[in-house]
Amino acid sequence: NAGVMQNPRHLVRRRGQEARLRCSPMKGHSHVYWYRQLPEEGLKFMVYLQKENIIDESGMPKERFSAEFPKEGPSILRIQQVVRGDSAAYFCASSPRDSGSGANVLTFGAGSRLTVL
Amino acid sequence: DAKTTQPNSMESNEEEPVHLPCNHSTISGTDYIHWYRQLPSQGPEYVIHGLTSNVNNRMASLAIAEDRKSSTLILHRATLRDAAVYYCILGLYNTDKLIFGTGTRLQVFP
Repeated sequence: NAGVMQNPRHLVRRRGQEARLRCSPMKGHSHVYWYRQLPEEGLKFMVYLQKENIIDESGMPKERFSAEFPKEGPSILRIQQVVRGDSAAYFCASSPRDSGSGANVLTFGAGSRLTVL
Repeated sequence: DAKTTQPNSMESNEEEPVHLPCNHSTISGTDYIHWYRQLPSQGPEYVIHGLTSNVNNRMASLAIAEDRKSSTLILHRATLRDAAVYYCILGLYNTDKLIFGTGTRLQVFP
């Protein structure tokens, strides 16, 4: 029973390039969450998706960032035209359902560490 | 979003109990109290959660004040592997996302 799988674990990009981070949720989980953690800071919520639907993107930067969770395949966080300030660890989490009760437990992946040169 | 307040850091010696406090004075009646921890260079890990009653699991215990305005995560015997940042988070009724604060950095000394 594999956990939340993220790849790549480490990604290096030059300014202006695109970064694509992938997340496969735990088996049976239908909801995916993306968080960003800047060096020496806490986790910041970015976006929450279910298959083919964005539920909450209130933490996503307005430009250059997008996320999707297609019917088949992993969730993808896409960062276009990366800048040095995008260097961070990006964590994905998944949960089994949209409980709406506050009792939802998230399972996190090991993260993808993006370095922008 | 409902807020939690935790000390920035705490220290403990190995094999001693650790009590990590959290204040959440604006908690509503339907908000759950969650605890996660993040070991160095790893993703956050679920520890425990509860609503009103105290909770125990293999990792820790959660003691919730009667008025629910505060809670305490209890590690019964700290080990070096428990050194991590511990986050106290409120799970709000109308959303499944969790908003992380700055947490408490726990150092464990041999």
